[in-house]
Amino acid sequence: GQSLEQPSEVTAVEGAIVQINCTYQTSGFYGLSWYQQHDGGAPTFLSYNALDGLEETGRFSSFLSRSDSYGYLLLQELQMKDSASYFCAFDSSYKLIFGSGTRLLVRP
Amino acid sequence: GAGVSQSPSNKVTEKGKDVELRCDPISGHTALYWYRQSLGQGLEFLIYFQGNSAPDKSGLPSDRFSAERTGESVSTLTIQRTQQEDSAVYLCASSLRLERVRVGYTFGSGTRLTVV
Repeated sequence: GQSLEQPSEVTAVEGAIVQINCTYQTSGFYGLSWYQQHDGGAPTFLSYNALDGLEETGRFSSFLSRSDSYGYLLLQELQMKDSASYFCAFDSSYKLIFGSGTRLLVRP
Repeated sequence: GAGVSQSPSNKVTEKGKDVELRCDPISGHTALYWYRQSLGQGLEFLIYFQGNSAPDKSGLPSDRFSAERTGESVSTLTIQRTQQEDSAVYLCASSLRLERVRVGYTFGSGTRLTVV
């Protein structure tokens, strides 16, 4: 079958670094995406990894290991506004399949 | 338009009534997707459109759910004889074309449906 697993909740301190892990199970894997969603808001695209390795976009980085069916999102220099839910997703037959999300709480 | 627009933003309906949810994608985006998000849960795929055709309806939960798209623009998701388990946020997203997963979907803010 197809599935993604993420921790349900992560807590970190402002200014710190946090890593949100995602493991997936699927056939025909093309790439792993990450989205951010604030409470009551629309999911917004953060990053996409098609190849193994690290992709960096400002304070956010995303990593993929295809051989391990594993990826993570790394958030550096955490800010209060980073408190949100983060979803990993893979493409399957022209649509995205999402994980259940990780709720990140940033404390002062 | 500049973004994906969904209406209404909130809808409260009585059990057994029909509801229509509307999505206006970004102009020129040929691919359109509907997802459902229950409270505190992930996004559940419902259906996608390429142009006006729907190659994949596999996520529609039952035959009470249907969707259409006209003029490669507006899409309507219809739920007939609503049930309490249909209560959720219904999200619409669009992308330039089907293959553009790598640059991400643009989501609307959703319609929060409450069936009482």
